[in-house]
Amino acid sequence: SAVISQKPSRDICQRGTSLTIQCQVDSQVTMMFWYRQQPGQSLTLIATANQGSEATYESGFVIDKFPISRPNLTFSTLTVSNMSPEDSSIYLCSVWGQGKAKNIQYFGAGTRLSVL
Amino acid sequence: SQQGEEDPQALSIQEGENATMNCSYKTSINNLQWYRQNSGRGLVHLILIRSNEREKHSGRLRVTLDTSKKSSSLLITASRAADTASYFCATDAKGTYKYIFGTGTRLKVLA
Repeated sequence: SAVISQKPSRDICQRGTSLTIQCQVDSQVTMMFWYRQQPGQSLTLIATANQGSEATYESGFVIDKFPISRPNLTFSTLTVSNMSPEDSSIYLCSVWGQGKAKNIQYFGAGTRLSVL
Repeated sequence: SQQGEEDPQALSIQEGENATMNCSYKTSINNLQWYRQNSGRGLVHLILIRSNEREKHSGRLRVTLDTSKKSSSLLITASRAADTASYFCATDAKGTYKYIFGTGTRLKVLA
């Protein structure tokens, strides 16, 4: 399995500000995934981050709003920019397992964001 | 748009009873996974079933997959209060590398 650490675990932010969420994995991985989970909803994929290239965004998500960095094979950040109350969600980082677990997707504990 | 839909949306049962949740998806898949989420926290992986498999077991969990109907079910036997959580299915469509999640089932097990 993969051990994924996310920081911060939660934050309360003012509208118009930005928050950067960090994701650290205990092993080198090719792809890292960022998901959003709005209150009471399921998970929606925001983007896929590969090291050394620009992230690939899903429909409805844009780089200006959710810039992503992937400086190396164990770390990624997601920034939620110019926040509004609608951005209040849990943001989760995820990676594929390796070896026998290569088809399993593992998740961090998530970052619970509240925007006032 | 989401790949899968689950039903029921919510399920309330007594401790000791069995709980069955269903997941339907739209396109051909490589794998289907079931996850549990407690109170909006991180997701815990339960079972992965491959498209060429029909049934898998893990402890009190039983997962079936019917690719002809594009559906899967998760059965939790002899439920416990600690099983209270939201359960999600996730599928990776053939030709893609990403998992898309279903709508989820909120299970409440009453002691």
